[in-house]
Amino acid sequence: AQSVTQLGSHVSVSEGALVLLRCNYSSSVPPYLFWYVQYPNQGLQLLLKYTSAATLVKGINGFEAEFKKSETSFHLTKPSAHMSDAAEYFCAVSHFGNEKLTFGTGTRLTIIP
Amino acid sequence: DVKVTQSSRYLVKRTGEKVFLECVQDMDHENMFWYRQDPGLGLRLIYFSYDVKMKEKGDIPEGYSVSREKKERFSLILESASTNQTSMYLCASSNHRGMEETQYFGPGTRLLVL
Repeated sequence: AQSVTQLGSHVSVSEGALVLLRCNYSSSVPPYLFWYVQYPNQGLQLLLKYTSAATLVKGINGFEAEFKKSETSFHLTKPSAHMSDAAEYFCAVSHFGNEKLTFGTGTRLTIIP
Repeated sequence: DVKVTQSSRYLVKRTGEKVFLECVQDMDHENMFWYRQDPGLGLRLIYFSYDVKMKEKGDIPEGYSVSREKKERFSLILESASTNQTSMYLCASSNHRGMEETQYFGPGTRLLVL
């Protein structure tokens, strides 16, 4: 079985500050990990994914995430928040042989001017 | 660009009505998925399909059925809509049976059942 926990359903940061969104996973086999973003009234868009290559993954819009097996984590970061980053962010997990994604409950990011 | 389209952005139906939600993708993807999204619960998988006329239950299939008669089209059916099916419904598609393949999402249909 696989599962994802996103700590913090709401996160607020000031414009220009570091963004850190937390994701911990549970998987009995090596995982594949994804971050998706959902802007208001839109579907989900892939930010980045980890598929067992480099542990530090760079995505779109300046976001990156680091896979840490020892901590079972895949936290999303961005050095400097922009107003356009305000959205809901979802972490998801799958694994070899399983096409299904299991999503976390999401984190709504608010940017304070 | 991959395009996944959903037939309606907003839908209002009455309890007991039969509801069809349509999803079409234009990238010849084998896999298609239906999710519902509720505040605080994230996305939950209702049904998915690996191929034409093939379907498999997801995590919350009760009260729903699906149809995939053509590769590009995946329909979600609420046989008798109930108020607890008020939700945002998202369709997605992906290529092959690759576990690392990106799922591409449509814009969603917000369904209100009165």
